[in-house]
Amino acid sequence: EADIYQTPRYLVIGTGKKITLECSQTMGHDKMYWYQQDPGMELHLIHYSYGVNSTEKGDLSSESTVSRIRTEHFPLTLESARPSHTSQYLCASSPRTANSPLHFGNGTRLTVT
Amino acid sequence: DQQVKQNSPSLSVQEGRISILNCDYTNSMFDYFLWYKKYPAEGPTFLISISSIKDKNEDGRFTVFLNKSAKHLSLHIVPSQPGDSAVYFCAASVGGGSNYKLTFGKGTLLTVNP
Repeated sequence: EADIYQTPRYLVIGTGKKITLECSQTMGHDKMYWYQQDPGMELHLIHYSYGVNSTEKGDLSSESTVSRIRTEHFPLTLESARPSHTSQYLCASSPRTANSPLHFGNGTRLTVT
Repeated sequence: DQQVKQNSPSLSVQEGRISILNCDYTNSMFDYFLWYKKYPAEGPTFLISISSIKDKNEDGRFTVFLNKSAKHLSLHIVPSQPGDSAVYFCAASVGGGSNYKLTFGKGTLLTVNP
């Protein structure tokens, strides 16, 4: 019953390629986030947005970029993929209401060879 | 420097017994805490939360306890069921709803044996 969708679920790509990870939500949430997680490790916030045309970098430095042109869409782009970018990328959203939990998508597992 | 620590990577319990998952934090500014559950190949799912003005919050089989002086919280699951087998993440934030950037622990893998 996911209301937040991430595509692709799995991606294997060669070094130097440009990739875009898609994230869309149908809940009308203002806030959206990208987290990165390696196996057995914590989730790290890499980007977030509080609304259209608002994007901020998170706590973990990332070479990726994001855009927020529409409320429901928050894509993440890597201009030139490297093996160090291999990880799971999780998109999340939340409403403006105080203390509302984040809703996560099912993630994209990226492997750069 | 980890601000949210889950020191037990895994926990195994028998069906019907209590599961206790622990979480410690170092940032005294954290004022809102959450637990998420994650099944393999899925995103984390929100389970239960607690504000720093409370010391206990209960939702069905799940109870979260907060000890601010010890900077410690725990999640109790009673009774445990095989479907509870998953990775449980503790998370915390500063400023609750207005600044919703969560800091996560590394997770604890709970296995409930039938």
